[in-house]
Amino acid sequence: AQTVTQSQPEMSVQEAETVTLSCTYDTSESDYYLFWYKQPPSRQMILVIRQEAYKQQNATENRFSVNFQKAAKSFSLKISDSQLGDAAMYFCASTGDSNYQLIWGAGTKLIIKP
Amino acid sequence: DVKVTQSSRYLVKRTGEKVFLECVQDMDHENMFWYRQDPGLGLRLIYFSYDVKMKEKGDIPEGYSVSREKKERFSLILESASTNQTSMYLCASSRGLAGDNEQFFGPGTRLTVL
Repeated sequence: AQTVTQSQPEMSVQEAETVTLSCTYDTSESDYYLFWYKQPPSRQMILVIRQEAYKQQNATENRFSVNFQKAAKSFSLKISDSQLGDAAMYFCASTGDSNYQLIWGAGTKLIIKP
Repeated sequence: DVKVTQSSRYLVKRTGEKVFLECVQDMDHENMFWYRQDPGLGLRLIYFSYDVKMKEKGDIPEGYSVSREKKERFSLILESASTNQTSMYLCASSRGLAGDNEQFFGPGTRLTVL
C-alpha cells in the first residue's frame, strides 16, 4: 500500500528562525504530485505548497520551500523566518494510483515560541 | 472567495442514532470528499464523489454512507452511530484530477457519540 510518513509528531521553533518538517513517501507511480497542507487551530485546512515529481526544481512560496529528493522519496518543508501565525498542524500528502485520492501523512504539530 | 461549509461545528449524539453531516461548496467543483481526522492517524478518506449521484469508497467506509443528489452538496450518514465514530469529520472539494488541483476544506465537524 502507498504510504506517506511524517516522523515528527511535534516540532517547535523560535520565532524568526527556520524549521524543517520531514516527510517521506512510498509510491510506485512514475508521475505523481506532493503537497503540504496547513491546518491552523480551529481553522480550515489550506494548501501551502505543491510539487510535481517530474520537475527538478524545488517549489517555493514566499517563506515556504520544499527539499524534494526524488530518489530518496523525501519531501521536506522548510519554513523560513517563522511567524506566530505559522503555528498549525502540517500535513504532507501524495497522489497515489487513484486519479482523485490523496494519501495523507499523520501530521506534524508546529509550535512557534515567541 | 471560495467556500466549503459544513452544517455543524460541534455535534453530540447518542449511540444508535442516525447522524447526518452535510457539506456544501459554492465553487462548482466536480469532486467532493469526506475525511475522518484522528490524532496520530492523519486524514483518512471515508468516501468521495466525482459527480452527482456517483460515489466511491475510500479507505474506511464501514459504518458510513453518503449521498450526492446535487453537485454542490455531499452528505455523510452514520446509520447507527457508535462511540468509535467519535472524531473530527472534514469535507473537501476539488476540481478535476488530484494532482492538478487543490482540495478546499470545510471547517470540520467534531462529532461526539455518547
